[in-house]
Amino acid sequence: DAGVTQSPTHLIKTRGQQVTLRCSPKSGHDTVSWYQQALGQGPQFIFQYYEEEERQRGNFPDRFSGHQFPNYSSELNVNALLLGDSALYLCASSLGQTIANYGYTFGSGTRLTVV
Amino acid sequence: AQKVTQAQTEISVVEKEDVTLDCVYETRDTTYYLFWYKQPPSGELVFLIRRNSFDEQNEISGRYSWNFQKSTSSFNFTITASQVVDSAVYFCALSERISNFGNEKLTFGTGTRLTIIP
Repeated sequence: DAGVTQSPTHLIKTRGQQVTLRCSPKSGHDTVSWYQQALGQGPQFIFQYYEEEERQRGNFPDRFSGHQFPNYSSELNVNALLLGDSALYLCASSLGQTIANYGYTFGSGTRLTVV
Repeated sequence: AQKVTQAQTEISVVEKEDVTLDCVYETRDTTYYLFWYKQPPSGELVFLIRRNSFDEQNEISGRYSWNFQKSTSSFNFTITASQVVDSAVYFCALSERISNFGNEKLTFGTGTRLTIIP
């Protein structure tokens, strides 16, 4: 049973560029949430996708956007990259939007470096 | 607002020693869940435990044990007879309902980096 798969694992981009990160949820999971983890910090909630719609968003600017496909996989897009966007981006899948019952399964993340 | 505090930034202990990682939380919710995750160098967050706010029983799983004290808003994690493989960053997290439709997210602490010295 495959867990959460994220690609790419590492990425280097130049300030001002755009980036797309991808996530395939655990089999049977229908909800995808994205978190940003800056160096030395805990993960911060970006947004959650369920039924192909963004359901909730954390305190992140509109430069961060996403998409969920009919097969439940998801993309995170970041436009006009800033140096401060350098972080580990974690995808977490769950069965339903209520994580407390079943919890998240996290992927290994995409390490984004903006230079 | 929800908040999770892990005051210990880094801890180093010699192998086979016991070690306790502290977690203090703040929430206005009457029902909530607390989690502990382990993050090895690979980056993946590995689930360790989930505890309902109504269940204050301590839990033991092998060398791991958790002490939930609602009166002090703490959820501490103890590793007994530590091993080198326990070296990782450990995060405490609190669930938070973010909509009236059941959407939830996790609020994480800043983590404790645990190093077990052989």
